[in-house]
Amino acid sequence: DADVTQTPRNRITKTGKRIMLECSQTKGHDRMYWYRQDPGLGLRLIYYSFDVKDINKGEISDGYSVSRQAQAKFSLSLESAIPNQTALYFCATSDLREGYTFGSGTRLTVV
Amino acid sequence: TQLLEQSPQFLSIQEGENLTVYCNSSSVFSSLQWYRQEPGEGPVLLVTVVTGGEVKKLKRLTFQFGDARKDSSLHITAAQPGDTGLYLCAGTGAGSYQLTFGKGTKLSVIP
Repeated sequence: DADVTQTPRNRITKTGKRIMLECSQTKGHDRMYWYRQDPGLGLRLIYYSFDVKDINKGEISDGYSVSRQAQAKFSLSLESAIPNQTALYFCATSDLREGYTFGSGTRLTVV
Repeated sequence: TQLLEQSPQFLSIQEGENLTVYCNSSSVFSSLQWYRQEPGEGPVLLVTVVTGGEVKKLKRLTFQFGDARKDSSLHITAAQPGDTGLYLCAGTGAGSYQLTFGKGTKLSVIP
């Protein structure tokens, strides 16, 4: 099994729908992150969490929410999807010794 | 906001050639990381540099952190088709745990 697992890998949804992207990890890291990647814009931080009771907004949190259900699980929700949220989404974990480990990504298309 | 500028944005070279990719900022970073990302996958950490002037080697890849900790370079000797991918630099500022990414250099090595 991958260290950081994201589901689904691909998703097409309609404008206005609520969608949840899930992330689970076996690294045992406390810190977890959600990024989105757009062509020409690189990776931008949406939300991050340093432990189960700690949630922080990143650079581009508007339109998104997160839930840290357990140390190993961190989900990202789009309450009402819009087309400009079409992107590649990555979950990551980190610790000071090992650095960052990324999942394989979720390709989301909002039509 | 700390920004990282990567150059060139695109690079296409023949197998066996040498190349250098640059990552520059006007800000000081406490650490800088290099990642490689292949299509359909998340970024994979190659190296972390933390000391000004530090040089690290990973087989045919040489990473250098600038003396002032504002810039970094990645040099590949005798490039192979397997080196093809998106190379991302990312840094953490003093007192911050957040990782700021550059927009990446897309490398194609032609057999």
